Amino acid sequence: AQKVTQAQTEISVVEKEDVTLDCVYETRDTTYYLFWYKQPPSGELVFLIRRNSFDEQNEISGRYSWNFQKSTSSFNFTITASQVVDSAVYFCALTNSGGYQKVTFGIGTKLQVIP
Amino acid sequence: EAQVTQNPRYLITVTGKKLTVTCSQNMNHEYMSWYRQDPGLGLRQIYYSMNVEVTDKGDVPEGYKVSRKEKRNFPLILESPSPNQTSLYFCASSGAAASYEQYFGPGTRLTVT
Repeated sequence: AQKVTQAQTEISVVEKEDVTLDCVYETRDTTYYLFWYKQPPSGELVFLIRRNSFDEQNEISGRYSWNFQKSTSSFNFTITASQVVDSAVYFCALTNSGGYQKVTFGIGTKLQVIP
Repeated sequence: EAQVTQNPRYLITVTGKKLTVTCSQNMNHEYMSWYRQDPGLGLRQIYYSMNVEVTDKGDVPEGYKVSRKEKRNFPLILESPSPNQTSLYFCASSGAAASYEQYFGPGTRLTVT
């Protein structure tokens, strides 16, 4: 069975602060994929990033960065210089590439950026 | 425009009255999936389909049925809805497999009284 844990249910930061959202996963598969999705207050779900288990390079996209560490089974997401528009629920997700293709989401972290 | 559509967007129904929530995608995606979102529980997968006529259970399939007769459509059927199925439902699709990014529909808010 696979599992995704997002221990931080809610985080509040003041605008321009940096914030890191944690994601810890469990899987027995050697090939798997990790994702982050954003759900703003309007409710839609938006894809942010995909990472496969063989690619441990960190990634940066503007103010967003992701740190993937297989040794600790973590795929953390950092927002630098947060803005009010970053206020949303962020979900981490996991799937494998084998015969069954379930997708497991974490419970999400609600981020509130205070002006 | 590439999109996933769901209908209806909002539905209030009574216990036991069969209903279907439709989902359609125009991206020729092979993988489609249904999720429910509940406070404190995140998104949980109900059913998924890897191609036409190929479906499998997710983590919370009880009380739901699906079918995939055409590549673009993946309806969710509640044959006898109960109040514990009150939730926000999302349909999603992705390219060839679940290992690709998913595109989500706008959601269907279902209330069962």
